Amino acid sequence: AAGVIQSPRHLIKEKRETATLKCYPIPRHDTVYWYQQGPGQDPQFLISFYEKMQSDKGSIPDRFSAQQFSDYHSELNMSSLELGDSALYFCASSAPSSGINYEQYFGPGTRLTVT
Amino acid sequence: AQKITQTQPGMFVQEKEAVTLDCTYDTSDPSYGLFWYKQPSSGEMIFLIYQGSYDQQNATEGRYSLNFQKARKSANLVISASQLGDSAMYFCAMREGDAGGTSYGKLTFGQGTILTVHP
Repeated sequence: AAGVIQSPRHLIKEKRETATLKCYPIPRHDTVYWYQQGPGQDPQFLISFYEKMQSDKGSIPDRFSAQQFSDYHSELNMSSLELGDSALYFCASSAPSSGINYEQYFGPGTRLTVT
Repeated sequence: AQKITQTQPGMFVQEKEAVTLDCTYDTSDPSYGLFWYKQPSSGEMIFLIYQGSYDQQNATEGRYSLNFQKARKSANLVISASQLGDSAMYFCAMREGDAGGTSYGKLTFGQGTILTVHP
């Protein structure tokens, strides 16, 4: 079965640079979520999109922006990178319209290292 | 206030034995879902089991079962017949507003429990 695809899997950037993370949800999933997991931390919700519109926003820095495109893939853009942005970034997708028991399927994550 | 609390930073279990990982939660929403995810050292998040707040029976998925005690706001994960491959970080998570709510499905995670299975 198709899974959530994230690219790149690993990314190394320097401080003050920009980064773009991409997420391709499972086919027919209309909702995408982004989470940030710092070293030794639990995942923290950043932002979500439903049918290409932002549906919820968590603790996402103003330096970050995201969008969902017409083909449902999503991109997380990160500017003016700081050392503290080094983390594992997960994308998850779900299909809430499929029923109340819908689960979020996580991608493999993008490991971002800022030096 | 912490919405999901996992009080066991680390747990050890002997292979083939059962282990219980604790999770308590806090919400005023009557409609919510509780999840357990497994995160091996490779980093991916693997869905294990789901329990809805209105479910009358405890959820089970193979060797995983969820001991749901609604009045105590606990949702402990029980892994039976532990295997070496079960060694990983385990996260409990909650989704509020399951039935027509406005949470839009975001998950709130606990701090996690590292499970080590000994041969």
